[in-house]
Amino acid sequence: AQSVTQLGSHVSVSEGALVLLRCNYSSSVPPYLFWYVQYPNQGLQLLLKYTSAATLVKGINGFEAEFKKSETSFHLTKPSAHMRDAAEYFCAVSESMGRRALTFGSGTRLQVQP
Amino acid sequence: DGGITQSPKYLFRKEGQNVTLSCEQNLNHDAMYWYRQDPGQGLRLIYYSQIVNDFQKGDIAEGYSVSREKKESFPLTVTSAQKNPTAFYLCASSIDYGSTDTQYFGPGTRLTVL
Repeated sequence: AQSVTQLGSHVSVSEGALVLLRCNYSSSVPPYLFWYVQYPNQGLQLLLKYTSAATLVKGINGFEAEFKKSETSFHLTKPSAHMRDAAEYFCAVSESMGRRALTFGSGTRLQVQP
Repeated sequence: DGGITQSPKYLFRKEGQNVTLSCEQNLNHDAMYWYRQDPGQGLRLIYYSQIVNDFQKGDIAEGYSVSREKKESFPLTVTSAQKNPTAFYLCASSIDYGSTDTQYFGPGTRLTVL
């Protein structure tokens, strides 16, 4: 069965600092991986996804993530945080065979300090 | 504009009552999904539908029911059998039920049991 672990339920950074949100997955078959962002009381919006093409994936709003099979990780980064990046971020996985519905991690709330 | 609408935005229910949450999409997507979001637990899949007139249980289907009579509509009924229904409910759709297909989310319905 597939699963996702997001280390750190809350992350706080200063404006302009590096953002690093961690995601590790468990899957018995090649996974597909997603990062979504949720602003308060809203639905989720796709930031980026890995679908077995390039291992470094660039998304919207300056975010990117790198798929590392050896580490079973898909960490989300942004070189310089902006106040508008404050939100909750979810990592999710689906499988190429078997369960195609998304399995979500528990989320990481990003706080950006001025 | 194409998108997903959910109504109502806020819903209050007395114990023992059934309530129905509406989800409509005009994206011409075949697949639709219902998720439940609780603080600190991420999103959990309740039901999904790959195509009209077909649906399957997700991870936490007990106490919920759905129908998919029209391609654009996927209402969720929270029955009195659901013991802890207070949560944020999110509807999503994707062009197909594929592992790499992006899911697009509605703005959510917050259900509170009084």
